[in-house]
Amino acid sequence: SQQGEEDPQALSIQEGENATMNCSYKTSINNLQWYRQNSGRGLVHLILIRSNEREKHSGRLRVTLDTSKKSSSLLITASRAADTASYFCATARLNDYKLSFGAGTTVTVRA
Amino acid sequence: EPEVTQTPSHQVTQMGQEVILRCVPISNHLYFYWYRQILGQKVEFLVSFYNNEISEKSEIFDDQFSVERPDGSNFTLKIRSTKLEDSAMYFCASSDDRGWVTEAFFGQGTRLTVV
Repeated sequence: SQQGEEDPQALSIQEGENATMNCSYKTSINNLQWYRQNSGRGLVHLILIRSNEREKHSGRLRVTLDTSKKSSSLLITASRAADTASYFCATARLNDYKLSFGAGTTVTVRA
Repeated sequence: EPEVTQTPSHQVTQMGQEVILRCVPISNHLYFYWYRQILGQKVEFLVSFYNNEISEKSEIFDDQFSVERPDGSNFTLKIRSTKLEDSAMYFCASSDDRGWVTEAFFGQGTRLTVV
């Protein structure tokens, strides 16, 4: 089954604003990870949240996880032009090391 | 900071030819993976490798594909008889064994173009 569906597909915001994107998944997970990908480049790991955690912070990033709703959100505060990228959630199931990626949210931060 | 490195960054090959994509995982990592991303689409899992053997593979990873860890540092993906639809970005990733939680580190990718 397909895991990790993000919404919105695309988001355009002004520099300084916050960006919020959501991820939903279908089966029980061990952890959920968020990645950033600049156009045509590699995947940069942003943050990992375990299934027994509800919220995690890293710099300007805030991730929440609601396992009852099978959903997660990524908030980028005080966005910068350099935050322009695609953001993907990826889920890992218990005893399963592979990641299942969503289609991603493309974020454009306007200067 | 340690990183996963992939070579080449871009490979153009003729349909039907064999290609080998190379990866150097992070040195103390034990699990290795290949993923691919067709332009504009999701990142898809291909194969995972642990203890010198394939631990899991997806439906995409058919007989056309093979992986190898020929020495202590490299991890390769071979695609025999490439097809046009193999054109994609191929990502190598590695993770360590931290019990039930693993964080995968990805390389910059190899863009494969089959013409």
